[in-house]
Amino acid sequence: AQTVTQSQPEMSVQEAETVTLSCTYDTSESDYYLFWYKQPPSRQMILVIRQEAYKQQNATENRFSVNFQKAAKSFSLKISDSQLGDAAMYFCAYSGGTSYGKLTFGQGTILTVHP
Amino acid sequence: NAGVTQTPKFRVLKTGQSMTLLCAQDMNHEYMYWYRQDPGMGLRLIHYSVGEGTTAKGEVPDGYNVSRLKKQNFLLGLESAAPSQTSVYFCASSDGRGRRRNSPLHFGNGTRLTVT
Repeated sequence: AQTVTQSQPEMSVQEAETVTLSCTYDTSESDYYLFWYKQPPSRQMILVIRQEAYKQQNATENRFSVNFQKAAKSFSLKISDSQLGDAAMYFCAYSGGTSYGKLTFGQGTILTVHP
Repeated sequence: NAGVTQTPKFRVLKTGQSMTLLCAQDMNHEYMYWYRQDPGMGLRLIHYSVGEGTTAKGEVPDGYNVSRLKKQNFLLGLESAAPSQTSVYFCASSDGRGRRRNSPLHFGNGTRLTVT
C-alpha cells in the first residue's frame, strides 16, 4: 500500500519570506501523480499544484513550486514571497496511475505566516 | 455552476442514531469519493464510486454504507452512529474519463459530524 508522510506538523514563516514543506511517499508503482492541497480555516480543500511522475520538470504555479525527487520519493512544496493568505493546513497527496483517482493523504502541515 | 455540494454542513447525533450525508455534483464526473478528516491523520478514504450503480470500499469503510443510484449523487449512510465516527466528512468528485482518469479531485466544503 502507498503511504505519504509529512514530518512537519507545524511550520512558520515571515511574510515575504520563503518556506519549504516536506513530503515523502512510498510506492512500487511507476505511474503516479502527486498533489499539494491547501485547507484554510474555511475547511475548503484547494488544489495548489500537481506533478505527474513521468515528467522530470518540476511543476510551478506562480509563487508555488515543487522539488520532485523521484528516486528519493520526495515531493516538497516551496512557497515564495509568503503572504498572510497562505496560512493554512497543507496536505501532500498521492494517486496511483490505476487507482481511479483515489488520493492517499499525508497527515498535514499547519503553516503560520507572521506579518 | 455549484461544483460539489454537501448537505448538511453540521450535525449532532446520539450514539445509535442513523443519518445520511448527501453529496451532489453538477460536473458530470464519473468518480466520486467520501473521505473523513481527523486531527493528525489527514483525510482517509471511506468508500468510492467509479460510475453510476457502482461502489467500492476504501481504507476505512467499517460502519458506513454508500449508494450511487444517480451519477450526480453519492450518499453516505451511518446506520448506528458511534462516537468514533465524530469527524469532518468530505465528498469529492473527479472526471475519470479516458486520459483524465487521474484529474484532480473537486471537494465539497465538508460536513462536521459529532456523535455524543
